[in-house]
Amino acid sequence: DAGVIQSPRHEVTEMGQEVTLRCKPISGHDYLFWYRQTMMRGLELLIYFNNNVPIDDSGMPEDRFSAKMPNASFSTLKIQPSEPRDSAVYFCASSFERAGYTFGSGTRLTVV
Amino acid sequence: SQKIEQNSEALNIQEGKTATLTCNYTNYSPAYLQWYRQDPGRGPVFLLLIRENEKEKRKERLKVTFDTTLKQSLFHITASQPADSATYLCARPPYNQGGKLIFGQGTELSVKP
Repeated sequence: DAGVIQSPRHEVTEMGQEVTLRCKPISGHDYLFWYRQTMMRGLELLIYFNNNVPIDDSGMPEDRFSAKMPNASFSTLKIQPSEPRDSAVYFCASSFERAGYTFGSGTRLTVV
Repeated sequence: SQKIEQNSEALNIQEGKTATLTCNYTNYSPAYLQWYRQDPGRGPVFLLLIRENEKEKRKERLKVTFDTTLKQSLFHITASQPADSATYLCARPPYNQGGKLIFGQGTELSVKP
């Protein structure tokens, strides 16, 4: 298994642009999580899905952020419009039931 | 609120010694705690899960304890090696919400040869 696959690895964009981050979870995992990591705030949960259904999006900062999981093998996190304070590393993770998470390598987002 | 607190100061130890990292939690005891390792530029990697009714769990040179009285988990690496240098994260589920994890800030461990 190739693990959790995220793309792109790095993204540099201008303020106001739309950004889409992608994630392919491990086949058979029923939970998918989107986290954001910064030096100041550490790892913060943005949203998570169970069997493709969003369960808790209370961590999504504001309406500029949206996430979808159209099927068991794909999820996107979209920021529109992006702002400099969105700069962070965004991680996708998946798990089977409530076992340990497998994280992707992350997307380092820089908004200038 | 349900917090996870880890020592924010980096831990520096000599190769061969035992490293001990601390994770303290507030309010309700979680059903389990998880420990992860994170290397620079990489995503966290799952190491161990310990349940509320387990006092101790071991995996090779790693040992984790769970003390519900002290509201604390200790993570030990015995016979530490420079390759163990990384940031170690503790995580807990919120009360009554087993699907997600709240992560601590992590403790950076540096093992000197």
